[in-house]
Amino acid sequence: DAKTTQPNSMESNEEEPVHLPCNHSTISGTDYIHWYRQLPSQGPEYVIHGLTSNVNNRMASLAIAEDRKSSTLILHRATLRDAAVYYCIPLPTGANSKLTFGKGITLSVRP
Amino acid sequence: DAGVTQSPTHLIKTRGQQVTLRCSPKSGHDTVSWYQQALGQGPQFIFQYYEEEERQRGNFPDRFSGHQFPNYSSELNVNALLLGDSALYLCASSRYSGVNTEAFFGQGTRLTVV
Repeated sequence: DAKTTQPNSMESNEEEPVHLPCNHSTISGTDYIHWYRQLPSQGPEYVIHGLTSNVNNRMASLAIAEDRKSSTLILHRATLRDAAVYYCIPLPTGANSKLTFGKGITLSVRP
Repeated sequence: DAGVTQSPTHLIKTRGQQVTLRCSPKSGHDTVSWYQQALGQGPQFIFQYYEEEERQRGNFPDRFSGHQFPNYSSELNVNALLLGDSALYLCASSRYSGVNTEAFFGQGTRLTVV
């Protein structure tokens, strides 16, 4: 499994953009990059995933470096509800690969 | 759609006892995975069930076993409980397919071993 490095924590102000980084320098060429987040007292929830191109969905955007050794999850306007632990997970291509979680980034959002 | 449901939500057991945790997957999902999350840590993969068979297993001892039923629901059994088994146990369901799809997690069962 590819190793990931993320800062332990980050802070943001409400309604401002947030850029959450992740280094995955040992990622395989066919690994997708998945992001999950875990709100307090809840199970993790899927946020977004991508392979090479930048991706957007209703929750966030994912910017993937050209060499794929790093990625950035972008929350365009942070809300208090976005306060959570964010995990980036390189995931091998294939049916039902297991998720390997690191410690994640704890995001705090100030009102 | 009820999503992934787990029961019970909280449980207290004595060291040496056995425990069974239950999970009902999201409608339309056929694969169930179990994770253990210690306080302050990310979830750790225990095992995965598909077609009533264990398909993948993480680095957990044989005291951890599971089962999947024909309706895709699943149980996690832990024998000879240790204090270190105290954790949040998470169930995730997904649809078995040729490419990775998102996993949906339940809210977990908080197990305390005393």
